[in-house]
Amino acid sequence: GESVGLHLPTLSVQEGDNSIINCAYSNSASDYFIWYKQESGKGPQFIIDIRSNMDKRQGQRVTVLLNKTVKHLSLQIAATQPGDSAVYFCAETPGGYALNFGKGTSLLVTP
Amino acid sequence: SQTIHQWPATLVQPVGSPLSLECTVEGTSNPNLYWYRQAAGRGLQLLFYSVGIGQISSEVPQNLSASRPQDRQFILSSKKLLLSDSGFYLCAWGVIGVGQYFGPGTRLTVT
Repeated sequence: GESVGLHLPTLSVQEGDNSIINCAYSNSASDYFIWYKQESGKGPQFIIDIRSNMDKRQGQRVTVLLNKTVKHLSLQIAATQPGDSAVYFCAETPGGYALNFGKGTSLLVTP
Repeated sequence: SQTIHQWPATLVQPVGSPLSLECTVEGTSNPNLYWYRQAAGRGLQLLFYSVGIGQISSEVPQNLSASRPQDRQFILSSKKLLLSDSGFYLCAWGVIGVGQYFGPGTRLTVT
């Protein structure tokens, strides 16, 4: 069936560097995408979303890029901080009630 | 602003005992409500969702059940817990097209 997956299960970056977390999706009907951040022992936190009629969306220190041609989604975090250490999930939906989640990428920020 | 509550935060139950987890949402009306389970190191598995009072859709057949007695209350139950029911249970609320927002979660350990 259709699925959402992540290219890298773990990512280690130095504090102050930029981070890029990637996600591939297979459902060409998906029209809404979300990035979540989950810290240990907590529920996922909504970071940023993007709709299929956009290629790029920026938030505070975060940017999401959507390439519908290759079904690829990425999350860029500028000037990564220790507090950014967490697991990041992408999620997609073709417009229904449920989101399809990737398994997550663990981001570790080192001093 | 909207807030979502879950309780208890942690729970240790013996095999064969009943279960009741509660979720309430504030600051929104007629939300879609969701129950997810997250096994250690894994992604999110959708268990149930509800689009209105008394309406429950099950995504995964198992010994769990859900109920929505009030607009902003969602309950996850079991008559007899199994070891495999251990996990991190997350409640979420959402509106189609604008994402889902998660509660703090309940850590359930079945012994």
